[in-house]
Amino acid sequence: ILNVEQSPQSLHVQEGDSTNFTCSFPSSNFYALHWYRWETAKSPEALFVMTLNGDEKKKGRISATLNTKEGYSYLYIKGSQPEDSATYLCAFRDNYGQNFVFGPGTRLSVLP
Amino acid sequence: DSGVTQTPKHLITATGQRVTLRCSPRSGDLSVYWYQQSLDQGLQFLIQYYNGEERAKGNILERFSAQQFPDLHSELNLSSLELGDSALYFCASSVATGAPYEQYFGPGTRLTVT
Repeated sequence: ILNVEQSPQSLHVQEGDSTNFTCSFPSSNFYALHWYRWETAKSPEALFVMTLNGDEKKKGRISATLNTKEGYSYLYIKGSQPEDSATYLCAFRDNYGQNFVFGPGTRLSVLP
Repeated sequence: DSGVTQTPKHLITATGQRVTLRCSPRSGDLSVYWYQQSLDQGLQFLIQYYNGEERAKGNILERFSAQQFPDLHSELNLSSLELGDSALYFCASSVATGAPYEQYFGPGTRLTVT
């Protein structure tokens, strides 16, 4: 059974703080790692799809890194804003069955 | 608005019944994915279709089936419904299949089984 973990489970930061969270996934049979942003009462929104070890991706104030050999990815948010408040999900896609396995998410609250 | 549409928005039905959920992907997208979000299990991948053919299978029960039609819309059929099938069902689409393609999620169909 594939296991994807995310930490921390939740995070409260002040507006302007920078923050980061972790996604841990199996280091074998790696195919891709997806990051999503999920606001309450909305649908998940794709942030990044990462495929290569050492990949770094950036979208505005949000960036992500990938280490497939040790099985982790970091998501960074620089200068958090209240509108960044959401649950951030990662999903591991394996090379064998092309199955997606989602982590439980990190719930971020940015206080003004 | 992602461009992915799902109908109906809400569905209430009784145990033992059968329902069909419909998804229309974004214009030009060939791949459709189905997910289930239940309270106790988080987001679970069910199945993926690419250009009419099943491409990947996740934790989909035998009571559930899906298909993708020539016009690329997809339907998820849930039969012999149980209380535990109550969940939010999302459809997502991507341009093609394979690693680099982002998925765009629809608004979801909330199914309540009573």
